[in-house]
Amino acid sequence: DAKTTQPNSMESNEEEPVHLPCNHSTISGTDYIHWYRQLPSQGPEYVIHGLTSNVNNRMASLAIAEDRKSSTLILHRATLRDAAVYYCILRDVTGGGNKLTFGTGTQLKVEL
Amino acid sequence: DTEVTQTPKHLVMGMTNKKSLKCEQHMGHRAMYWYKQKAKKPPELMFVYSYEKLSINESVPSRFSPECPNSSLLNLHLHALQPEDSALYLCASSLVETGLTGEQYFGPGTRLTVT
Repeated sequence: DAKTTQPNSMESNEEEPVHLPCNHSTISGTDYIHWYRQLPSQGPEYVIHGLTSNVNNRMASLAIAEDRKSSTLILHRATLRDAAVYYCILRDVTGGGNKLTFGTGTQLKVEL
Repeated sequence: DTEVTQTPKHLVMGMTNKKSLKCEQHMGHRAMYWYKQKAKKPPELMFVYSYEKLSINESVPSRFSPECPNSSLLNLHLHALQPEDSALYLCASSLVETGLTGEQYFGPGTRLTVT
């Protein structure tokens, strides 16, 4: 499985935007970029995914570099509820693509 | 209903006990998963079921025995566990044909302690 690299931790103030980076220099053409987050004492939760183009949904935006070797998850206005571990995951869609291989993730701390 | 439920929430068992973890979903998903998560670590895939058949076993020791009796239910039978098996066990489900989305829905997990 292609590997992702994320900072161990990041901090943000409430109501400010947060940019969470992810490097995936060995990404292949059939890898989708997925982001999940895990709030304290909960299971992981899907956030967003993309292949080549930037993506927006109600939770976040995903900006993908033109060469696809890096991506950034953007939370437009962080709230205390967004404090979680954010995982960037590459998912190979060939052969069904049911496997998610989680990296170490970024612990996001949000302060008032 | 987009919920995956897991029971029990907490489980303490001795190394000679036999116990089972249960997972249930009613989203019509035909792929179900077991993950293991140690403290401060990311989840690690253990098993994948597709259409009630085991499709992926990530070289998990035989003291963990999964079972998918129907399309809504997934069990994990535990026997002769070791203290190092203490962890959060997460269940997830998804469409089998994950294709473009790949979204997995996770339950809250069962916190297992082996004494």
